[in-house]
Amino acid sequence: EAGVTQFPSHSVIEKGQTVTLRCDPISGHDNLYWYRRVMGKEIKFLLHFVKESKQDESGMPNNRFLAERTGGTYSTLKVQPAELEDSGVYFCASSQGGNPWSETQYFGPGTRLLVL
Amino acid sequence: AQSVSQHNHHVILSEAASLELGCNYSYGGTVNLFWYVQYPGQHLQLLLKYFSGDPLVKGIKGFEAEFIKSKFSFNLRKPSVQWSDTAEYFCAVNAAGGAGSYQLTFGKGTKLSVIP
Repeated sequence: EAGVTQFPSHSVIEKGQTVTLRCDPISGHDNLYWYRRVMGKEIKFLLHFVKESKQDESGMPNNRFLAERTGGTYSTLKVQPAELEDSGVYFCASSQGGNPWSETQYFGPGTRLLVL
Repeated sequence: AQSVSQHNHHVILSEAASLELGCNYSYGGTVNLFWYVQYPGQHLQLLLKYFSGDPLVKGIKGFEAEFIKSKFSFNLRKPSVQWSDTAEYFCAVNAAGGAGSYQLTFGKGTKLSVIP
């Protein structure tokens, strides 16, 4: 069974540009999460999808971040326009469904974003 | 809101030494507890988890953790480390009930370096 995949693995962009990150969850997993780790800090929750619906986006830093999950499959996270403080590693995770609280979240390898 | 504290930023051990990584959380209610590991160049993977029942939890690769509710702690242990245990270790918690209970809250991580 394929794990959670993320694309690209690395992205280097200039301040003011737009970047779109993609996450493909484990097949059949209804729950999809985005997290971010800024250098030297802890991994922080950004948002949670159940199928195509945003269940909780309380961790999104500001309105420069837009996440979508069309058709309840893969998800994209767009940063527009990117700022220096957006640099970090963006992780995606998925879990099967039913009761997210008691499930294991499986993580992807992350996308390393560097904004210059 | 809950928080997680990992006491050590970087631990250096020789092979065969015993390991204990500290983790404390702050939340007064029911929690699930996790230890994730990230080996160099790899994605985050689950080492072990505690949902309920026996507070001594055994995970993969000889790791175990003990949940001590009165101390709000979930320390990770291994009796004899190997060079291959070199990695970054993350303690995480999610809290029961209400919106956001599926969010994982992470500690800052502990880097373990095992010297052959």
